[in-house]
Amino acid sequence: GNSVTQMEGPVTLSEEAFLTINCTYTATGYPSLFWYVQYPGEGLQLLLKATKADDKGSNKGFEATYRKETTSFHLEKGSVQVSDSAVYFCALLLNDYKLSFGAGTTVTVRA
Amino acid sequence: DAGITQSPRHKVTETGTPVTLRCHQTENHRYMYWYRQDPGHGLRLIHYSYGVKDTDKGEVSDGYSVSRSKTEDFLLTLESATSSQTSVYFCAISEPKGQSNTEAFFGQGTRLTVV
Repeated sequence: GNSVTQMEGPVTLSEEAFLTINCTYTATGYPSLFWYVQYPGEGLQLLLKATKADDKGSNKGFEATYRKETTSFHLEKGSVQVSDSAVYFCALLLNDYKLSFGAGTTVTVRA
Repeated sequence: DAGITQSPRHKVTETGTPVTLRCHQTENHRYMYWYRQDPGHGLRLIHYSYGVKDTDKGEVSDGYSVSRSKTEDFLLTLESATSSQTSVYFCAISEPKGQSNTEAFFGQGTRLTVV
């Protein structure tokens, strides 16, 4: 079946630190890959996506590259801010149009 | 923001009672989904709909039923609520445009507590 595995959190960082959240997937087929972010008390928002191998998604200083050879889609940001504190979800989509999510990683950035 | 409204936003109910959660969209998207969010599990798909009166089960459908009588509304019913159904429920919508051009939009969530 299709599944997404994320690094476990919580992750606590200082402002301006480098953030990496690992994500690997298992899929029958060639999925599109997503990172969603959930700020406290809110629903999920799409952060970035990549739809084929070697694509790089980017938004708000975050980046992730679709690596087919390692079935990975790691999220990175070079310098985090307090406002980046949130829960981050990796997800995949196949042609059945059902999103499969990882468990989520809680990130807290301290000033 | 995508026009998705979930109601109620919070509910406390007793074990064994029926509960219905509503998702309303103004985007005319064909697909609608119900997910539950639990610590350590991320979001898990309960049921989804690919059109009016067209629904299918997700990975955690036991104890839940859904109905979609019109494009804009997708109802999730817990026939007899149990404590294991205490969770945060999210509705999502999408309009498929091929796998590479489809994304989902989420509602604000409904926090359900079964006591």
